[in-house]
Amino acid sequence: QVQLQESGPGLVRPSQTLSLTCTVSGDSISSGGYYWSWIRQHPGKGLEWIGSMYSSGSTYYNPSLKSRLTMSMDRSKNQFSLRLSSVTAADTAVYYCASADNNDRRRFDYWGQGTLVTISP
Amino acid sequence: QSVLTQPPSASGTPGQRVTISCSGSTSNIGSNYLYWYQQLPGTAPKLLIYRNNQRPSGVPDRFSGSKSGTSASLAISGLRSEDEANYYCAAWDDSLSGVIFGGGTKVTVL
Repeated sequence: QVQLQESGPGLVRPSQTLSLTCTVSGDSISSGGYYWSWIRQHPGKGLEWIGSMYSSGSTYYNPSLKSRLTMSMDRSKNQFSLRLSSVTAADTAVYYCASADNNDRRRFDYWGQGTLVTISP
Repeated sequence: QSVLTQPPSASGTPGQRVTISCSGSTSNIGSNYLYWYQQLPGTAPKLLIYRNNQRPSGVPDRFSGSKSGTSASLAISGLRSEDEANYYCAAWDDSLSGVIFGGGTKVTVL
């Protein structure tokens, strides 16, 4: 069973870059079994898909975030990462990393516990 | 405003059947699979239904999903106190080229 754990700063200044890492255990991010994904939840609100990345390096980004978003992998550490530039208060949210089945990238089977990122001066 | 529309709340007494609707369009529900996620208070979402009506292993058969045209629904039969949670529908949207979620429905067990 795949387990995921988010890590990163809980506070980011406006206009700076938000960087988060998801550490995966239980499978290799290079195995090809999953799409590695990020999803966020604004306080008291619903869910928003940020983007997904396959083991090949192919990325699929939410069009509304694409201009500010970069996802990457560190295969040696079995981690994947999110970088969101030029953040504003509207980016304050709980950020989840999740894995989606490689045959169905809308099927988010496993989730991290989530990490709250606050954008504030 | 979410592309997929869900009622903000639903409720029922223990043992009752509760149904949650999810309404979309031809670019999402009408042409792609529908998924349901359950989010218990203070926890990460959990996959409940995939590909319209399939349950992952471990999900009780009290939960069932269906889809017709550009709408879908999640039914919870034999409602239990532990079912009190937020439920989100999700689908791929061909126009937006991305995964979209409904606004969520909070289920309360009276």
